[in-house]
Amino acid sequence: QSVLTQPPSVSGAPGQRVTISCTGSSSNIGAGYDVHWYQQLPGTAPKLLIYGNTNRPSGVPDRFSGSKSGTSASLAITGLQAEDEADYYCQSYDSSLSGYVFGTGTKVTVL
Amino acid sequence: QITLKESGPTLVKPTQTLTLTCTFSGFSLTTSGVAVGWIRQPPGKALEWLALIYWDDDKRYSPSLKSRLTITKDTSKSQVVLTMTNMDPVDTATYYCAHRSNWGSGGVFDYWGQGTLVTVSS
Repeated sequence: QSVLTQPPSVSGAPGQRVTISCTGSSSNIGAGYDVHWYQQLPGTAPKLLIYGNTNRPSGVPDRFSGSKSGTSASLAITGLQAEDEADYYCQSYDSSLSGYVFGTGTKVTVL
Repeated sequence: QITLKESGPTLVKPTQTLTLTCTFSGFSLTTSGVAVGWIRQPPGKALEWLALIYWDDDKRYSPSLKSRLTITKDTSKSQVVLTMTNMDPVDTATYYCAHRSNWGSGGVFDYWGQGTLVTVSS
Protein backbone atom coordinates (compact mmCIF):
# COMPACT_ATOMS: atom_id res chain seq x y z
CA GLN A 1 0.00 0.00 0.00
CA SER A 2 1.67 3.20 -1.26
CA VAL A 3 1.31 6.29 0.87
CA LEU A 4 2.74 8.67 -1.73
CA THR A 5 0.66 9.28 -4.87
CA GLN A 6 2.16 9.65 -8.34
CA PRO A 7 0.54 9.81 -11.80
CA PRO A 8 0.58 6.34 -13.41
CA SER A 9 2.19 7.61 -16.58
CA VAL A 10 3.66 10.62 -18.33
CA SER A 11 4.96 10.89 -21.86
CA GLY A 12 6.82 13.31 -24.05
CA ALA A 13 8.70 13.63 -27.29
CA PRO A 14 12.49 13.59 -27.36
CA GLY A 15 13.84 16.91 -26.16
CA GLN A 16 10.70 17.88 -24.28
CA ARG A 17 10.30 18.48 -20.56
CA VAL A 18 8.17 16.25 -18.37
CA THR A 19 7.35 16.44 -14.68
CA ILE A 20 6.26 13.81 -12.19
CA SER A 21 4.42 14.77 -9.04
CA CYS A 22 4.56 13.00 -5.69
CA THR A 23 1.80 13.87 -3.25
CA GLY A 24 2.08 12.97 0.41
CA SER A 25 0.67 14.21 3.70
CA SER A 26 1.46 15.97 6.94
CA SER A 27 3.09 12.85 8.39
CA ASN A 28 5.67 12.43 5.64
CA ILE A 29 6.59 15.09 3.08
CA GLY A 30 4.62 17.78 4.89
CA ALA A 31 6.41 16.93 8.13
CA GLY A 32 9.69 18.00 6.58
CA TYR A 33 11.13 14.62 5.69
CA ASP A 34 13.29 14.53 2.62
CA VAL A 35 12.03 13.15 -0.67
CA HIS A 36 14.19 10.92 -2.81
CA TRP A 37 13.64 9.69 -6.36
CA TYR A 38 14.61 6.41 -7.97
CA GLN A 39 14.77 5.36 -11.60
CA GLN A 40 14.00 1.75 -12.46
CA LEU A 41 14.91 0.66 -15.97
CA PRO A 42 13.07 -2.41 -17.27
CA GLY A 43 14.21 -5.59 -15.54
CA THR A 44 16.67 -3.85 -13.24
CA ALA A 45 16.87 -2.73 -9.61
CA PRO A 46 15.94 0.83 -8.66
CA LYS A 47 18.75 3.36 -8.87
CA LEU A 48 18.98 6.52 -6.78
CA LEU A 49 18.33 9.52 -9.01
CA ILE A 50 17.68 12.44 -6.64
CA TYR A 51 18.31 12.57 -2.89
CA GLY A 52 17.40 15.14 -0.30
CA ASN A 53 14.73 16.72 -2.52
CA THR A 54 17.10 18.40 -4.96
CA ASN A 55 20.51 16.68 -5.01
CA ARG A 56 21.90 14.49 -7.78
CA PRO A 57 24.34 11.66 -7.01
CA SER A 58 27.54 11.67 -8.98
CA GLY A 59 26.93 10.53 -12.55
CA VAL A 60 23.28 11.55 -12.79
CA PRO A 61 22.78 14.00 -15.67
CA ASP A 62 21.67 17.52 -14.79
CA ARG A 63 18.62 16.95 -17.01
CA PHE A 64 17.09 15.50 -13.86
CA SER A 65 16.01 17.88 -11.11
CA GLY A 66 13.87 17.69 -8.01
CA SER A 67 11.84 20.09 -5.93
CA LYS A 68 9.63 20.00 -2.86
CA SER A 69 6.88 22.24 -1.54
CA GLY A 70 4.44 21.63 1.26
CA THR A 71 3.14 18.08 1.11
CA SER A 72 4.34 17.44 -2.44
CA ALA A 73 7.47 16.99 -4.47
CA SER A 74 8.26 16.90 -8.16
CA LEU A 75 10.80 15.37 -10.50
CA ALA A 76 11.53 17.15 -13.76
CA ILE A 77 13.27 15.69 -16.78
CA THR A 78 14.36 18.23 -19.36
CA GLY A 79 15.66 17.34 -22.81
CA LEU A 80 13.92 13.97 -22.66
CA GLN A 81 15.91 11.11 -24.17
CA ALA A 82 14.95 7.60 -25.25
CA GLU A 83 17.11 6.17 -22.47
CA ASP A 84 14.91 7.92 -19.91
CA GLU A 85 12.08 5.46 -20.55
CA ALA A 86 11.67 3.84 -17.15
CA ASP A 87 9.60 3.72 -14.00
CA TYR A 88 10.20 6.45 -11.44
CA TYR A 89 9.44 6.27 -7.72
CA CYS A 90 9.49 8.86 -4.98
CA GLN A 91 10.29 7.88 -1.38
CA SER A 92 10.17 9.52 2.01
CA TYR A 93 9.81 8.71 5.70
CA ASP A 94 6.49 8.66 7.52
CA SER A 95 6.34 9.51 11.20
CA SER A 96 2.92 7.96 11.81
CA LEU A 97 4.10 4.65 10.33
CA SER A 98 7.62 4.98 11.78
CA GLY A 99 8.90 3.71 8.49
CA TYR A 100 9.72 4.35 4.88
CA VAL A 101 7.13 4.98 2.19
CA PHE A 102 7.33 4.81 -1.58
CA GLY A 103 5.24 6.38 -4.28
CA THR A 104 2.84 4.52 -6.54
CA GLY A 105 5.31 4.83 -9.41
CA THR A 106 5.21 6.62 -12.76
CA LYS A 107 6.04 5.14 -16.13
CA VAL A 108 7.76 7.60 -18.43
CA THR A 109 7.31 6.96 -22.15
CA VAL A 110 9.36 8.72 -24.81
CA LEU A 111 7.18 9.11 -27.88
CA GLN B 1 32.55 0.41 -3.56
CA ILE B 2 29.32 -0.73 -1.95
CA THR B 3 27.62 -3.86 -3.25
CA LEU B 4 24.74 -5.96 -1.96
CA LYS B 5 23.39 -9.28 -3.16
CA GLU B 6 20.27 -11.15 -2.15
CA SER B 7 20.06 -14.93 -1.93
CA GLY B 8 17.40 -17.43 -1.00
CA PRO B 9 14.77 -19.75 -2.44
CA THR B 10 13.07 -18.85 -5.69
CA LEU B 11 9.98 -20.91 -4.86
CA VAL B 12 8.18 -21.39 -1.56
CA LYS B 13 4.90 -23.06 -0.75
CA PRO B 14 1.99 -21.28 0.91
CA THR B 15 2.23 -21.21 4.73
CA GLN B 16 6.01 -21.79 4.61
CA THR B 17 8.58 -19.41 6.07
CA LEU B 18 10.82 -17.47 3.68
CA THR B 19 14.42 -16.77 4.66
CA LEU B 20 16.42 -14.32 2.57
CA THR B 21 20.05 -13.34 3.04
CA CYS B 22 21.64 -10.07 2.00
CA THR B 23 25.43 -10.27 1.69
CA PHE B 24 27.14 -6.93 1.39
CA SER B 25 30.59 -5.42 0.98
CA GLY B 26 32.14 -1.98 0.95
CA PHE B 27 30.74 -0.89 4.32
CA SER B 28 30.35 -2.13 7.87
CA LEU B 29 27.11 -2.52 9.76
CA THR B 30 29.00 -1.54 12.90
CA THR B 31 29.52 2.02 11.68
CA SER B 32 27.31 4.58 13.38
CA GLY B 33 24.34 5.65 11.27
CA VAL B 34 24.49 2.74 8.83
CA ALA B 35 21.42 0.62 8.17
CA VAL B 36 20.27 -2.06 5.74
CA GLY B 37 16.71 -2.40 4.58
CA TRP B 38 14.51 -4.81 2.65
CA ILE B 39 12.09 -3.66 -0.03
CA ARG B 40 9.89 -5.80 -2.26
CA GLN B 41 8.11 -5.32 -5.57
CA PRO B 42 5.30 -7.61 -6.79
CA PRO B 43 5.35 -8.13 -10.56
CA GLY B 44 4.16 -4.97 -12.29
CA LYS B 45 3.55 -3.16 -9.00
CA ALA B 46 5.17 -0.54 -6.82
CA LEU B 47 7.98 -0.80 -4.32
CA GLU B 48 7.07 -1.61 -0.71
CA TRP B 49 9.39 -1.12 2.26
CA LEU B 50 9.49 -4.13 4.61
CA ALA B 51 12.12 -3.79 7.31
CA LEU B 52 15.30 -2.02 8.39
CA ILE B 53 18.09 -2.86 10.80
CA TYR B 54 20.48 -0.26 12.21
CA TRP B 55 24.13 -0.52 13.15
CA ASP B 56 23.13 -0.59 16.84
CA ASP B 57 20.70 -3.52 16.22
CA ASP B 58 17.63 -1.31 16.41
CA LYS B 59 14.95 -2.63 14.07
CA ARG B 60 11.97 -1.20 12.25
CA TYR B 61 9.18 -3.02 10.44
CA SER B 62 6.35 -2.14 8.11
CA PRO B 63 3.28 -1.96 10.36
CA SER B 64 1.20 -4.02 7.94
CA LEU B 65 3.68 -6.93 7.97
CA LYS B 66 5.30 -6.55 11.38
CA SER B 67 3.80 -9.73 12.83
CA ARG B 68 5.34 -11.84 10.05
CA LEU B 69 8.79 -10.29 9.73
CA THR B 70 12.08 -10.69 11.55
CA ILE B 71 15.30 -8.94 10.53
CA THR B 72 18.70 -9.83 11.97
CA LYS B 73 22.34 -9.13 11.20
CA ASP B 74 25.61 -11.01 11.35
CA THR B 75 28.31 -8.36 11.20
CA SER B 76 31.12 -10.95 11.10
CA LYS B 77 29.70 -12.29 7.85
CA SER B 78 28.51 -8.91 6.50
CA GLN B 79 25.01 -10.31 6.18
CA VAL B 80 21.46 -9.28 6.97
CA VAL B 81 18.75 -11.91 7.12
CA LEU B 82 15.01 -11.38 6.64
CA THR B 83 12.47 -14.02 7.57
CA MET B 84 8.81 -13.82 6.60
CA THR B 85 6.38 -16.34 8.01
CA ASN B 86 3.15 -17.75 6.63
CA MET B 87 3.90 -16.99 2.99
CA ASP B 88 0.97 -16.45 0.62
CA PRO B 89 0.78 -16.15 -3.16
CA VAL B 90 0.28 -12.39 -2.76
CA ASP B 91 3.83 -12.29 -1.34
CA THR B 92 5.20 -13.23 -4.76
CA ALA B 93 7.63 -10.44 -5.54
CA THR B 94 11.19 -9.42 -6.21
CA TYR B 95 12.87 -8.80 -2.88
CA TYR B 96 15.65 -6.22 -2.68
CA CYS B 97 18.06 -5.34 0.08
CA ALA B 98 19.51 -1.85 0.14
CA HIS B 99 22.08 0.23 2.02
CA ARG B 100 20.44 3.11 3.83
CA SER B 101 22.58 6.21 4.11
CA ASN B 102 21.99 8.41 7.11
CA TRP B 103 21.55 11.51 4.96
CA GLY B 104 19.24 14.35 5.81
CA SER B 105 15.99 13.61 7.57
CA GLY B 106 14.90 9.99 7.31
CA GLY B 107 17.76 8.58 5.28
CA VAL B 108 17.98 7.37 1.69
CA PHE B 109 18.48 3.97 0.06
CA ASP B 110 21.52 4.78 -2.01
CA TYR B 111 22.75 1.32 -2.99
CA TRP B 112 20.56 -1.62 -3.98
CA GLY B 113 21.10 -5.29 -4.62
CA GLN B 114 20.01 -6.84 -7.90
CA GLY B 115 16.95 -8.38 -6.30
CA THR B 116 15.71 -11.94 -6.07
CA LEU B 117 12.33 -13.13 -7.37
CA VAL B 118 10.41 -15.25 -4.91
CA THR B 119 7.33 -17.09 -6.14
CA VAL B 120 4.79 -18.47 -3.69
CA SER B 121 2.94 -21.40 -5.15
CA SER B 122 1.94 -24.92 -4.24
